[in-house]
Amino acid sequence: DGGITQSPKYLFRKEGQNVTLSCEQNLNHDAMYWYRQDPGQGLRLIYYSQIVNDFQKGDIAEGYSVSREKKESFPLTVTSAQKNPTAFYLCASSISLVDRAKNIQYFGAGTRLSVL
Amino acid sequence: GIQVEQSPPDLILQEGANSTLRCNFSDSVNNLQWFHQNPWGQLINLFYIPSGTKQNGRLSATTVATERYSLLYISSSQTTDSGVYFCAVRGGGADGLTFGKGTHLIIQP
Repeated sequence: DGGITQSPKYLFRKEGQNVTLSCEQNLNHDAMYWYRQDPGQGLRLIYYSQIVNDFQKGDIAEGYSVSREKKESFPLTVTSAQKNPTAFYLCASSISLVDRAKNIQYFGAGTRLSVL
Repeated sequence: GIQVEQSPPDLILQEGANSTLRCNFSDSVNNLQWFHQNPWGQLINLFYIPSGTKQNGRLSATTVATERYSLLYISSSQTTDSGVYFCAVRGGGADGLTFGKGTHLIIQP
């Protein structure tokens, strides 16, 4: 079954703790993205990756880090420097970032992060 | 960066009614997508429509790129159409999608 899998569905973070959200895709897509959604708001771009071993900051990258060691995986770490981490986090992928005809983004089911 | 405005913010309709959701954007775009976010938070792709008109069952969408707006039409609404509808665009030099704040649609039986 092709798609984007995010885990866990729910995650709780203690003060001063780093936590990592998983995103895996088996669509053979080159580009992957992380977005954050706050209540009643649209999504905002945190980081994106055009290809393996490459990633770029989005609009709200402070307090977050990513890696792209494998094409199918793009984990997001929420560090202790992120002072307001409570949000819904969504991962997306597209065939390509450069080719506009192949830039349709598909989303995973999301991870809800709360601070204890 | 590019700005995206959606209207109306909230819409309450009876089952069977038709609705039109609007998305205005501030710059030229090379990607425009409409999504439906269900109560569990899943974003469901409805249309990829940077220009032109498309139809899929009871839903259709039109984007007039030269005038910088897109419309999503829902006909014969059903309770399962309830949720938040987002318009998202790529443009203004950005590499990711910029989302509007959404239209919260409630279909009452």
